[in-house]
Amino acid sequence: GQQVMQIPQYQHVQEGEDFTTYCNSSTTLSNIQWYKQRPGGHPVFLIQLVKSGEVKKQKRLTFQFGEAKKNSSLHITATQTTDVGTYFCAGGYRGGSNYKLTFGKGTLLTVNP
Amino acid sequence: NAGVMQNPRHLVRRRGQEARLRCSPMKGHSHVYWYRQLPEEGLKFMVYLQKENIIDESGMPKERFSAEFPKEGPSILRIQQVVRGDSAAYFCASSPSGTGIEQYFGPGTRLTVT
Repeated sequence: GQQVMQIPQYQHVQEGEDFTTYCNSSTTLSNIQWYKQRPGGHPVFLIQLVKSGEVKKQKRLTFQFGEAKKNSSLHITATQTTDVGTYFCAGGYRGGSNYKLTFGKGTLLTVNP
Repeated sequence: NAGVMQNPRHLVRRRGQEARLRCSPMKGHSHVYWYRQLPEEGLKFMVYLQKENIIDESGMPKERFSAEFPKEGPSILRIQQVVRGDSAAYFCASSPSGTGIEQYFGPGTRLTVT
């Protein structure tokens, strides 16, 4: 089946440093979504990328979708303590009339104030 | 506009008992997904349902687990004869359609099997 690999598993940074998490799929994706889960909370949708090479920004967050639609990244500039949480990518796979979202294992970000 | 609701939020069961987890999707959403999350693990897809239909249950264990989404009422994830390995957080998500659209997650049910 489809697999989505996400690295790193953990990342600890000092407040103000940048952070990046990477996502790779073994097969071409229809789209990719990113979610954030705060400790003890539930996943919250951040963004969806659909087009090859697409780049989207949300304030200090930059999301990229690779040209081959097999990888993606989330970059946070100048992290803040409010950025703490686990960031998941979720690859969308379309086969015929079926569509399936497969989540990566996530990257847990901790920020030292 | 209420979000996805799940109850109970915490559930403790002894080995061999049954666990029933409920999920009410957002208003206007007819697609429901169940996921299981173990500590420090990702979200494992279990089952995808529309009203009265199971669309994809490829992530459901073959035994003891079942899910339904009746015409009226919440979606139910049922685990029979629970074992310690079933202890996890179970999240429900909903969406207005089933293809390539964001999913809205509920707060989850934390199941502990003693």
